[in-house]
Amino acid sequence: DTAVSQTPKYLVTQMGNDKSIKCEQNLGHDTMYWYKQDSKKFLKIMFSYNNKELIINETVPNRFSPKSPDKAHLNLHINSLELGDSAVYFCASSQMTGGNQPQHFGDGTRLSIL
Amino acid sequence: QKEVEQNSGPLSVPEGAIASLNCTYSDRGSQSFFWYRQYSGKSPELIMSIYSNGDKEDGRFTAQLNKASQYVSLLIRDSQPSDSATYLCAVNSGGGSEKLVFGKGTKLTVNP
Repeated sequence: DTAVSQTPKYLVTQMGNDKSIKCEQNLGHDTMYWYKQDSKKFLKIMFSYNNKELIINETVPNRFSPKSPDKAHLNLHINSLELGDSAVYFCASSQMTGGNQPQHFGDGTRLSIL
Repeated sequence: QKEVEQNSGPLSVPEGAIASLNCTYSDRGSQSFFWYRQYSGKSPELIMSIYSNGDKEDGRFTAQLNKASQYVSLLIRDSQPSDSATYLCAVNSGGGSEKLVFGKGTKLTVNP
């Protein structure tokens, strides 16, 4: 069974479109995260939620809006996609909030903007 | 800006050798340190965590932490071609902060 699963795995779309990425974890963890990994492989946190409550909101354009309907799900909606949004987006989860918790990553969503 | 620095490499070692990967961090308040392995096109995979000064061994992997020097390292003994990957150092940003800060990774190649 996949612990942290993301859909879709690949997303190719036109500039200006709106798209969503979904994430689910079956580990029973309380905290979930979204990371962006750019072309230089730099992995940077975007958001984290603990039991549906927003904990971390990094300096991310407000075109990006996370939503957590329950603690097992964290979705990412992106409006008005731009070329610079092309990256791999990883969802992750940890048992509790806090930087001392190991995080488990999903397989990533490869977003390409044409 | 709290930073985590790694030599981007590439680091190339022969099969059977010891690979040594290094990481320094800027935040003295950091308390938790992690090493992740990322194969090309795959997701980061946790391989080691360390929280106190000294060495921590797990199979062929040894993590070393020196908080006074703000330095954490990963040693891979008897390196195998399957160890070829990018290794990411991650550090909690300290002061009760909730997030991990990742280094840019060191690409390791183990040559048969």
